[in-house]
Amino acid sequence: EVQMVQSGAEVKKPGESLKISCKGSGYSFTNHWIGWVRQMPGKGLEWMGIVYPGDSDTRYSPSFQGQVTVSADKSISTAHLQWSSLKASDTAMYYCVRVAGDRYYFDYWGQGTLVTVSS
Amino acid sequence: EIVLTQSPGTLSLSPGERATLSCRASQSVSSSYLAWYQQKPGQAPRLLIFGASSRATGIPDRFSGSGSGTDFTLTISRLEPEDFAVYYCQQYGSSPLTFGGGTKVEIK
Repeated sequence: EVQMVQSGAEVKKPGESLKISCKGSGYSFTNHWIGWVRQMPGKGLEWMGIVYPGDSDTRYSPSFQGQVTVSADKSISTAHLQWSSLKASDTAMYYCVRVAGDRYYFDYWGQGTLVTVSS
Repeated sequence: EIVLTQSPGTLSLSPGERATLSCRASQSVSSSYLAWYQQKPGQAPRLLIFGASSRATGIPDRFSGSGSGTDFTLTISRLEPEDFAVYYCQQYGSSPLTFGGGTKVEIK
């Protein structure tokens, strides 16, 4: 059974750094892109970026390029999303997703990680 | 960037009724690379449809997708109580990947 299990909720202050994680299991982790999707409170879905665990290739949405870093550690089947300096506007639910094959739709979703940034 | 516009914003229907949700793209979506997701309150989204009309694994056949080019439709033939949720379309034909703003299907 394919599962994407994310790390727990975080409460941070503006300016702090953060790295959240997503562990994939039940499939060959290196053969599927892993993506991240943001959902701000009461709002819709926004694609942020993807990483290919096999060779760590990354692609970003222009809206998030330079704002976050996506990465993957294939030795532990885990993908990461990180910020170097959080803002209050980063407060949101973040979902990791498995990309289906070579077509960039999302067939499995993590449970979400709620990030709250507040002074 | 392809902008996806979903309509209506909210659909108020009764169980057993037919739901028709629209997703319109600002430019043609190549190869009908259009997916639909369902999100219930407090849950992660779930894939329903990919390739505009192919149902994902385990999705009941009351859900169907159609369309091509710039106009796509998700139809729920007979609403079950568990179908009341928010539905999003997503195009994956070109980068950046984009989602529509969602349609909420609520109980009338």
